[in-house]
Amino acid sequence: DAGVTQSPTHLIKTRGQQVTLRCSPISGHKSVSWYQQVLGQGPQFIFQYYEKEERGRGNFPDRFSARQFPNYSSELNVNALLLGDSALYLCASSLVTLGRNEKLFFGSGTQLSVL
Amino acid sequence: AQTVTQSQPEMSVQEAETVTLSCTYDTSENNYYLFWYKQPPSRQMILVIRQEAYKQQNATENRFSVNFQKAAKSFSLKISDSQLGDTAMYFCAFMNKDNYGQNFVFGPGTRLSVLP
Repeated sequence: DAGVTQSPTHLIKTRGQQVTLRCSPISGHKSVSWYQQVLGQGPQFIFQYYEKEERGRGNFPDRFSARQFPNYSSELNVNALLLGDSALYLCASSLVTLGRNEKLFFGSGTQLSVL
Repeated sequence: AQTVTQSQPEMSVQEAETVTLSCTYDTSENNYYLFWYKQPPSRQMILVIRQEAYKQQNATENRFSVNFQKAAKSFSLKISDSQLGDTAMYFCAFMNKDNYGQNFVFGPGTRLSVLP
């Protein structure tokens, strides 16, 4: 079975541009979360979607938005890119919201560089 | 707000030896989960072990075990019989389970090097 897949793996943009990152969860997983990992730091929570509804939002500006599609895949959009948006963006999926035996599975991330 | 602290930015251990990575957290919640994740150079986050706060028994997964001290808000990871493949960044993470979703709070990480 395929794991969590993210595309693209690497991306270079310039300041002010917009970017869309994509995530396909593990088959059957209905919950998708997005995290930003700046170099040398731990990941920071951006969004969680479950059954196509936003279930959680981290402390990120409105330039960040996301959505989940009927097939449970997800997109993360970032507008008006800043140099500080350069980071590894991780997507994670789980079957439902975490319960007693649930595990969160991560993709390998999209490395975004803003020049 | 919850915070997670890992006071050891880097550690090294000889192959086959035992190493302990430290983690402390701050929360006012009573119902939560704690995790250790491993991030090798491939960048993929891999779950090592999880602990539910309501369980007093420390979790174990093969060579990995934790020392969970709820009152002290401490959650250390012990790796026994260290292997070269254990070389990676290790992140301690906290999750407060509410009715609507999940929000992981990660620590800054500890870079572990296993030396041959």
